[in-house]
Amino acid sequence: TQLLEQSPQFLSIQEGENLTVYCNSSSVFSSLQWYRQEPGEGPVLLVTVVTGGEVKKLKRLTFQFGDARKDSSLHITAAQPGDTGLYLCAGVDNTDKLIFGTGTRLQVFP
Amino acid sequence: NAGVTQTPKFRILKIGQSMTLQCTQDMNHNYMYWYRQDPGMGLKLIYYSVGAGITDKGEVPNGYNVSRSTTEDFPLRLELAAPSQTSVYFCASSYSGSNNQPQHFGDGTRLSIL
Repeated sequence: TQLLEQSPQFLSIQEGENLTVYCNSSSVFSSLQWYRQEPGEGPVLLVTVVTGGEVKKLKRLTFQFGDARKDSSLHITAAQPGDTGLYLCAGVDNTDKLIFGTGTRLQVFP
Repeated sequence: NAGVTQTPKFRILKIGQSMTLQCTQDMNHNYMYWYRQDPGMGLKLIYYSVGAGITDKGEVPNGYNVSRSTTEDFPLRLELAAPSQTSVYFCASSYSGSNNQPQHFGDGTRLSIL
């Protein structure tokens, strides 16, 4: 069974701080997706990274896919209260299904 | 823009009861999925379907059944509810397989088995 471990599990920071969330596995994925989930709602796709070493930016969010396609990171610059939520990474396995990570719950205080 | 619609939003069941969680999508997506999300955990795949008439097991299928008679609908059935099935259930759809294709999620059904 492929596993995706996310760290940290919880993160509580002040508005304006920077943070990085990590998503690690011993397995190789063909691509990796990042989702954000707010309370009472389903996850919403933020980005998909496909190529090893790929970096994608979405406003203040920077996503990187590891060179070996086993890990990924999400960096948020100058966090805002609107960034609060559960961040989930999900790797696409060799049967074309998503394997979700354990999640990072982020709380940004004004 | 309805997207993926799940009903009911909340439900409490007694042990041994049965129920069907409804899921419908209006995006003409071929692929549909059922996940469960336990507190502090990611999502686990229960069943999925790549098109009408075709279903397959995911990682945690025991205690559940599905059917896919139309492209739009993908109901999930619990035959004999057990406390271990207390969870939040999410239905999702995508145009094709997961590689490069986003999955669109409903808002979930929160199910408690007492």
